[in-house]
Amino acid sequence: EAGVAQSPRYKIIEKRQSVAFWCNPISGHATLYWYQQILGQGPKLLIQFQNNGVVDDSQLPKDRFSAERLKGVDSTLKIQPAKLEDSAVYLCATESTSGSRTGELFFGEGSRLTVL
Amino acid sequence: SQKIEQNSEALNIQEGKTATLTCNYTNYSPAYLQWYRQDPGRGPVFLLLIRENEKEKRKERLKVTFDTTLKQSLFHITASQPADSATYLCALETSGGSYIPTFGRGTSLIVHP
Repeated sequence: EAGVAQSPRYKIIEKRQSVAFWCNPISGHATLYWYQQILGQGPKLLIQFQNNGVVDDSQLPKDRFSAERLKGVDSTLKIQPAKLEDSAVYLCATESTSGSRTGELFFGEGSRLTVL
Repeated sequence: SQKIEQNSEALNIQEGKTATLTCNYTNYSPAYLQWYRQDPGRGPVFLLLIRENEKEKRKERLKVTFDTTLKQSLFHITASQPADSATYLCALETSGGSYIPTFGRGTSLIVHP
């Protein structure tokens, strides 16, 4: 089974520029998360989708971050304009919700963003 | 405020010994607690999940305990190997609607040959 695919793996931008990250989940996984992981810290939830609906975006800085999951499959996370403090790894994770819940999240390799 | 605490200092042990990592939490009533492994430059990989009504769970050389009175989980790796060197993250999920894992900062484990 193919894993969670993310791109790009690395991105360097100047502050105030925009950037977009893409996530392709494991087939059939209805729940999708975006986490932000700053160096030396644990992943912090940005947004959770169930199919194409938002379940929780309470920690998403909506003045600069946006995310969508059209058709309940692929998802994109956008930052516009970027700030220095947005330098982090952006992790996409998915979870199967068919059958009994296992709670296991499947993570992609992440997209590392450096804002200069 | 809610906190998930894991040792920020790396744990150094000799190969063959048992590694024990700690996850403490405050102001949470987790329904589930998970442990993940994260290697440098990689995404976390799920290891074990334990439910609030379970005291202990095992998987091969791994053992997790969950004490809701102490608000603590212990993660053990027996017969540790250098390949076990990684950062180990604990994550809590609370019930009441959707289950959303909230992660600690992780503890780095270094197993010396």
